[in-house]
Amino acid sequence: ELKVEQNPLFLSMQEGKNYTIYCNYSTTSDRLYWYRQDPGKSLESLFVLLSNGAVKQEGRLMASLDTKARLSTLHITAAVHDLSATYFCAVERKGGGADGLTFGKGTHLIIQP
Amino acid sequence: GAGVSQSPRYKVTKRGQDVALRCDPISGHVSLYWYRQALGQGPEFLTYFNYEAQQDKSGLPNDRFSAERPEGSISTLTIQRTEQRDSAMYRCASSLSFGELFFGEGSRLTVL
Repeated sequence: ELKVEQNPLFLSMQEGKNYTIYCNYSTTSDRLYWYRQDPGKSLESLFVLLSNGAVKQEGRLMASLDTKARLSTLHITAAVHDLSATYFCAVERKGGGADGLTFGKGTHLIIQP
Repeated sequence: GAGVSQSPRYKVTKRGQDVALRCDPISGHVSLYWYRQALGQGPEFLTYFNYEAQQDKSGLPNDRFSAERPEGSISTLTIQRTEQRDSAMYRCASSLSFGELFFGEGSRLTVL
């Protein structure tokens, strides 16, 4: 059974600090996805990581993928309040990508002034 | 349409009633997925379609749940004889090609 585990599940941090969210998965997938969800809202795609060693950055967020370790990280640099949200990582249920994604439980991130 | 559209956004029903949830995917998207999301949890896969063909329904909890996409566009998720444990947010997503899913706003179902 495919497992996707995120760590930590809850994170409270101060503005201006750096932190990393970890996503471990049990399949041999070469692709990994990060989503953001604001309270009461839908899921918004943040990053699509397509190969080993892939790194993508958007503003204060940077995601990376190590397929050999089956690990992805989402790094937050100099956090600001607007980044408070729940972040999900997801991997493909089966090879090929058309079978949908399996999601982690999410990391609930609160950034305090 | 511009995004994935789901209706109704909120549905309150009594135990034992049937409910139908509708999803209109992004125009041109071949694949359509149904997920269920409990409060504080990640989305849980239910079923998906490529065009009108249901490819995998292994995530449907039991035979009270069914889905269809008869013309390869709009899809309906039907729950028969609803139970309180069916209360959740039901999310639809569509995809053009590999894995990246685009989600709708969801249909929140409450079974009394």
